[in-house]
Amino acid sequence: EAQVTQNPRYLITVTGKKLTVTCSQNMNHEYMSWYRQDPGLGLRQIYYSMNVEVTDKGDVPEGYKVSRKEKRNFPLILESPSPNQTSLYFCASSLNPFSGMNEQYFGPGTRLTVT
Amino acid sequence: GESVGLHLPTLSVQEGDNSIINCAYSNSASDYFIWYKQESGKGPQFIIDIRSNMDKRQGQRVTVLLNKTVKHLSLQIAATQPGDSAVYFCAENRRGSSYKLIFGSGTRLLVRP
Repeated sequence: EAQVTQNPRYLITVTGKKLTVTCSQNMNHEYMSWYRQDPGLGLRQIYYSMNVEVTDKGDVPEGYKVSRKEKRNFPLILESPSPNQTSLYFCASSLNPFSGMNEQYFGPGTRLTVT
Repeated sequence: GESVGLHLPTLSVQEGDNSIINCAYSNSASDYFIWYKQESGKGPQFIIDIRSNMDKRQGQRVTVLLNKTVKHLSLQIAATQPGDSAVYFCAENRRGSSYKLIFGSGTRLLVRP
């Protein structure tokens, strides 16, 4: 089954404790992206990746890091989480963006709480 | 399920009626638009897209209309069903912004049986 998976689905952590949220897709998609979703603000893009070893900032990259060492995986790293990073996070992927924008497939979401 | 918004505008329709969900965008440079549906506890799901060289595009039971003059996008759902109840987001890609997608804050659609 074609899908985007995220782990963990729920995480409660404390300020300053490094964490990683994994994202994996099995559709051989070049493009992957991370979003956060907050009440009243919709989805905001954190980082995206056009292909392996190619990443770029979205609209709200502060406090986050990403890596794209393999095509299928795009982990989101919070080196020193803070309470304002409490949010619902979504990973998404799509086909080769150079052929034009394509349908993005979203993962199920990760609910992160930073105390 | 996960809450996607506490104060979203809400559209309530009778089952079987048509629904129209509206979205205003601010950047005239945007050239690609997408509608997503998000059910409680799930990630957004692609519904339909449209490029700026088109005014209208139809899918199965859905139609997207684009009015570039007033920077307005709408999603029409024909014969609305209970399974259509969800939060609907429009998203835009701004020309020259690589592949950044800008999402609207969403509209909640409630279908009355």
